[in-house]
Formats: sequence, C-alpha cells, structure tokens
Amino acid sequence: KAGVTQTPRYLIKTRGQQVTLSCSPISGHRSVSWYQQTPGQGLQFLFEYFSETQRNKGNFPGRFSGRQFSNSRSEMNVSTLELGDSALYLCASSKGDFGTDTQYFGPGTRLTVL
Amino acid sequence: GESVGLHLPTLSVQEGDNSIINCAYSNSASDYFIWYKQESGKGPQFIIDIRSNMDKRQGQRVTVLLNKTVKHLSLQIAATQPGDSAVYFCAEGFYNNNDMRFGAGTRLTVKP
Repeated sequence: KAGVTQTPRYLIKTRGQQVTLSCSPISGHRSVSWYQQTPGQGLQFLFEYFSETQRNKGNFPGRFSGRQFSNSRSEMNVSTLELGDSALYLCASSKGDFGTDTQYFGPGTRLTVL
Repeated sequence: GESVGLHLPTLSVQEGDNSIINCAYSNSASDYFIWYKQESGKGPQFIIDIRSNMDKRQGQRVTVLLNKTVKHLSLQIAATQPGDSAVYFCAEGFYNNNDMRFGAGTRLTVKP
C-alpha cells in the first residue's frame, strides 16, 4: 500500500509570493490534516479536511488555506508569504474516524522563503 | 496558554537498555495522548496512543504511562535499538478532534 505522498519535496519562494502544496493520501483515507513544523514552534496543526469539507482548523491566519478534492487529494495554499512561513509542511491522512484512527504522515514539503 | 512540554530535550542510552521519555502537559481537560517518532528526513510516525480513562497501555516494546494527577506522560522503550534513534514527540488533544498539540520533542540517541 503506497504511503502519503507530498509534492514538491522542496520549494524556495520569495516574500510576497504565494505557494501551493499538494498531498495525496493513502488509498481509502478520507481525512487529510496539515501541520507546520518549525524549530521554534514545533509541530502545529493547521487544518483538517474530510470528504471535501474543512472539519477542524488550527490557529493560523487566513493566509493559510486548503481544499480537498473528491479523490481525497488535498492542497494547501499560503498567500503573501512571509519569512516566518519557512517550515516543513506535513500532511497526514487517516480513514476519518477520530481517536481510533491512526494518522499517517507524509515526508513533508520543505518551504524556504527568502 | 495551555502547552505541552518535554522534560529532557536529549537522551542518550546504550543499546539494549530501556529508555524513558517524559512529557508534561498543561491542559487537564485533554483526554487523548499520542507518541510519535520522527526520523531525520521523514514525517512523524505513530507509536502508541492512550486515552485519559487509562493509566497504562502497552505495544510492541513500548509502554505509555499516563499520570493525570500530575499531568505527566511517559514513553518507555524496552531493549532500545539503534533504529530507535529519532526525535520523539508527545501530543495531547481530544479524542474527537484532530487538533493535537505537540511537545517540542526529545532526541533519543542509541549508542552501540
């Protein structure tokens, strides 16, 4: 069974630009969650999508948005990039049943904002 | 605000020894806890979870202990192996919500 895949793996952008990251979940998984990982703040939850609807949202500004397609693939978008957005962005997929449902993480997209 | 923290940022053990990684949490209302392992260049990998109605849960070579009185969580790894070298995160949250809060992480190094 193929794992969670994320593209691209590495990305370099400049301040003010926008970026779109993609996540393909494990086949059969309907939930995709996004996380930001930085040395200073650690792992922080961005949002979760389930059946094309945002089900949970963390405490990030509106510049961070996402969507999920009918095939469960998900994208997240960051507009007007800031230097502080440099981070490893991780997505995790699961079947969608809370608690008993293990999240499987992808390898992440390393975003560098110059 | 509420936060999740780790007592030890680094831990070095000999191969074959048992490892104990600790975590303190602040939100007494949290009812679900997870331990993750993250190896270099990879995403976090689920190790074991525990709900607040339990004090102990065992997996393969791992045991999680939850002490709600002092809001403390620990991960015990038996017979630690070089492949266990990684950063370990605890996360707290609620059983019906994926908005988990992660600790800073502890780097475990296993010496051969």
